[in-house]
Amino acid sequence: AQKITQTQPGMFVQEKEAVTLDCTYDTSDQSYGLFWYKQPSSGEMIFLIYQGSYDEQNATEGRYSLNFQKARKSANLVISASQLGDSAMYFCAMDYYDKVIFGPGTSLSVIP
Amino acid sequence: DGGITQSPKYLFRKEGQNVTLSCEQNLNHDAMYWYRQDPGQGLRLIYYSQIVNDFQKGDIAEGYSVSREKKESFPLTVTSAQKNPTAFYLCASSNRVDEQFFGPGTRLTVL
Repeated sequence: AQKITQTQPGMFVQEKEAVTLDCTYDTSDQSYGLFWYKQPSSGEMIFLIYQGSYDEQNATEGRYSLNFQKARKSANLVISASQLGDSAMYFCAMDYYDKVIFGPGTSLSVIP
Repeated sequence: DGGITQSPKYLFRKEGQNVTLSCEQNLNHDAMYWYRQDPGQGLRLIYYSQIVNDFQKGDIAEGYSVSREKKESFPLTVTSAQKNPTAFYLCASSNRVDEQFFGPGTRLTVL
């Protein structure tokens, strides 16, 4: 069965430093997509980045990059130059046929 | 502006009452989804609909019902059969599975 694991319930990072949020997944499908969403305290879900399983290059969107290691089934999110506004919950997700399944999330706190 | 609206933002109900959460989108998306989020946890899929007049159960459909009479609207009813309905409910829509847009959410509290 498809499953997303995020082993870091909470992370702290100094402002302007880079941080890596871990995500591993389990699937027997060959074609799938991996996402990261940000959820601030307001509750809205903000799409950050997407990686297709056949994409050869790691996805990047501004300060966000996805470190995709297919053989290890990992899709870690790297945030460079952390800002105070990056403090939020971060969810890794995977598409599965016509649905998306989410991991339990990692709470990131950026320290001034 | 295109987007997804959910109303109300906060909802309080007495135990045993049915309650309907609204979700409307003007993005012309075919697919719509309802998720439930409990404190400190990820999202779990309740129901989803790929086209009008059709919907499928997600992972935690028991105690919930939906309808999809219009493309723009996908209301969720939390019935009295749902044993622990207090949660944050998020609606999403998409035309592609790799791009879901979320509404602002409804926080339901059952007293």
